[in-house]
Amino acid sequence: AQRVTQPEKLLSVFKGAPVELKCNYSYSGSPELFWYVQYSRQRLQLLLRHISRESIKGFTADLNKGETSFHLKKPFAQEEDSAMYYCALTDSSYKLIFGSGTRLLVRP
Amino acid sequence: NAGVTQTPKFQVLKTGQSMTLQCAQDMNHEYMSWYRQDPGMGLRLIHYSVGAGITDQGEVPNGYNVSRSTTEDFPLRLLSAAPSQTSVYFCASSSTAQGEETQYFGPGTRLLVL
Repeated sequence: AQRVTQPEKLLSVFKGAPVELKCNYSYSGSPELFWYVQYSRQRLQLLLRHISRESIKGFTADLNKGETSFHLKKPFAQEEDSAMYYCALTDSSYKLIFGSGTRLLVRP
Repeated sequence: NAGVTQTPKFQVLKTGQSMTLQCAQDMNHEYMSWYRQDPGMGLRLIHYSVGAGITDQGEVPNGYNVSRSTTEDFPLRLLSAAPSQTSVYFCASSSTAQGEETQYFGPGTRLLVL
């Protein structure tokens, strides 16, 4: 069955420290993978997706098919990065399957 | 464009009451969906629609009905509210039903069932 696992409910780092939000998935085919972010009192929005291989707000994510992972990374965290982050996948049936989310807290 | 809009923002219901959560988008998107967001469980798909007149069940459809009479609107109906339906509900849309398409989310409706 398709599944997305985010093992950390909360990740707390200091400003300027590197950040890595973990995401593992289980899917037999070739999924499309995404990271969505929800800032305080804002709606959920797309941060990045693996197919576009882009860097948004300094975040990157590499799809590792061998480890079935799609970890989100940023070399230097900023306070405005504090938010809820969701990893998600979709297959050919176009339904988005979300992980349980990780709350990132960047301390000053 | 207003994007995806949802009403109401907040609602309190008593067990057994019924209500409709409204969702509308003005982007002429084909695909629309409803999720519920619960602590520690992320977002779970309730129902979705790939176009007007077409709906299907998601992961957690029980207790909810949907219809898609127009491209713009995708209301979610709670037939007989239960405390287990206390949650935050998000509507989302995307231009097509292709997997790689970005989904756009509404601001959410916070529902409390007493």
